[in-house]
Amino acid sequence: EVQLVESGGGLVQPGGSLRLSCAASGFTFSSYDMHWVRQTTEKGLEWVSAIGTAGDTYYPDSVKGRFTISRENAKNSLYLQMNSLRAGDTAVYYCARDRGGYNPDWYFDLWGRGTLVTVSS
Amino acid sequence: EIVLTQSPATLSLSPGERATLSCRASQSVSSYLAWYQQKPGQAPRLLIYDASNRATGIPARFSGSGSGTDFTLTISSLEPEDFAVYYCQQRANWPPFTFGGGTKVEIK
Repeated sequence: EVQLVESGGGLVQPGGSLRLSCAASGFTFSSYDMHWVRQTTEKGLEWVSAIGTAGDTYYPDSVKGRFTISRENAKNSLYLQMNSLRAGDTAVYYCARDRGGYNPDWYFDLWGRGTLVTVSS
Repeated sequence: EIVLTQSPATLSLSPGERATLSCRASQSVSSYLAWYQQKPGQAPRLLIYDASNRATGIPARFSGSGSGTDFTLTISSLEPEDFAVYYCQQRANWPPFTFGGGTKVEIK
């Protein structure tokens, strides 16, 4: 079955760190760009990071310098290291696959079920 | 950053009716726009990409149109499973990729 399964969410204090993981199965993980997207009731959907098949990475200004996306193709896994967490980072974090494969088109055609990150003291 | 504004915020319709959802961009995104459907407790699902192309497995009652700054998602005849929240997303000018605030299609 083609799927993405996130893990690693939880409660963390402001200023703390958390590492999210995403396990991919049912497709050739190494052939796809991958993304993290988060969602809150207040701000809706927000793209958080992307990683290309060659390991190139991209971030919005809101998380640049604090979040690091990485991948381990041998384990079919995607990661998001989140440091210096703030209350505003509280959200459901989704792992998502780029639709385009080796020719990324920056649309998200496969999503996990999400993992909740809560930043609070 | 390109801002996407969706309207209306809520659309109250009955099964079998036609739904017309709007997404307006703060600057041109050419045809680089997608639509997603999200049901409660689920992740978003890609419906339309590049403004008018249906994603794999998406029924023909879903169609997209528009270019530049004004886009429309049309559901020709609402099925019970279509009542959900719909989001648009642009990939023309990034980072960041941005999403609209959503339109909820609810049962009247």
